[in-house]
Order: sequence, then structure tokens, then C-alpha cells
Amino acid sequence: DVKVTQSSRYLVKRTGEKVFLECVQDMDHENMFWYRQDPGLGLRLIYFSYDVKMKEKGDIPEGYSVSREKKERFSLILESASTNQTSMYLCASSYFGQGDPGELFFGEGSRLTVL
Amino acid sequence: AQSVTQPDIHITVSEGASLELRCNYSYGATPYLFWYVQSPGQGLQLLLKYFSGDTLVQGIKGFEAEFKRSQSSFNLRKPSVHWSDAAEYFCAVGSHQTGANNLFFGTGTRLTVIP
Repeated sequence: DVKVTQSSRYLVKRTGEKVFLECVQDMDHENMFWYRQDPGLGLRLIYFSYDVKMKEKGDIPEGYSVSREKKERFSLILESASTNQTSMYLCASSYFGQGDPGELFFGEGSRLTVL
Repeated sequence: AQSVTQPDIHITVSEGASLELRCNYSYGATPYLFWYVQSPGQGLQLLLKYFSGDTLVQGIKGFEAEFKRSQSSFNLRKPSVHWSDAAEYFCAVGSHQTGANNLFFGTGTRLTVIP
């Protein structure tokens, strides 16, 4: 069974702390994504990566960074957490092939609360 | 630019009743279209996708969706709703150049099922 695993389901951090959110996929996908989900706003793309050590900014990259040292692992980093980063964070991986739009496979999410 | 509108924030239906969730998109060419479902506390799961051919697409869990180019719509339907269908539903659009690698999501419709 294909799987995207996010290491932490629930985190509580204090303002100014550095936060790491880890994501691992076992499908050998090239592409990985970090989304943020907030009520009424849907999913917004923070960063994505098409290959190891490559990253691209999404729609809301401010206050975040990412790391992809291995193909299966994609980490989201909050250098100095702020209360407005309290949210649900979703990791995904995807394939995209000739004539097939592919599919995003999502992890179960990491709910972060910043106090 | 791509955009997706899900005009209904919240829908309540009785168990056994039929369901239709609306999705309108904006895109300059023929899009790739997706419906995802998110059960409480979970990540998103693909219900179905449209990329070519028959405009009526069958998905998992008894769902179907119809692509109507003239109306720029991709509405999701189910003839008889089960209590387990209570969840949040997201419509998403992608391009032929990037497929699932670059999806734009709607803000979601929350479905409540009453006995």
C-alpha cells in the first residue's frame, strides 16, 4: 500500500522556536509538496520539490524553508515559529506521466499549534 | 490563471438521499480535474479525476463526476449518501503541462450526513 508518512500528527510549540516537520514517501516519486490547510482557505502550496536538493517556492513560502536531501524525504522548517503559523500542514507526493495527469498522495497531516 | 470555486461551504443531507457538490473552474484550455475527500483528522484521498475521453467519470466509494465544458463545471454526485461520506470535499484543477504536479484547490465543501 502506497504511503506518505508525516512524523508528527500534533505539535505544540512556542513563539520563536524552530520547528521541523518531516515527511517520507515510499513510492519513489520525484515530486513532493508541502501544503498548508486553513478553514475557508482550502489548501495553499508552501514549497515543492521536483528532485533531490531542488526546491521551488509555492504560493505562501514566507516564514518557511524546506530540505530534500534524499528522494524519499521532504522536510518543512519554520525557522522562528509565529502564532499565525498555527495550522494543519499536509505533505504530498506525486507522479505525472505522458497522457496521465497523475495523482497527489497525501499524508495524514501535522497539526501545529504555536503559543 | 487557474482558479476553482466551490460555492457551497457546507451541505447537509439525509442518509440515503442523493448528493451533488458543485465545482466551477477557470482555465484557458482543457483542464485536468480532480475531486479529493478528507475525512476528519485525515489527509486527502483521490475520489476521481478527469483528463480525457468520456466526460462522466466514475470514482471510488460510488461517486461520479461530470465534466461540462460549456459550463466550466465538474460537479460531484452520489445517488445515495452513507453516513461514512461525512467529510470535506475538495475540487482541484491542473494543466496539461504539469498535471498533478501543480494543482489549484478550491476552498472545500463540508458534508454533514444526518440519520
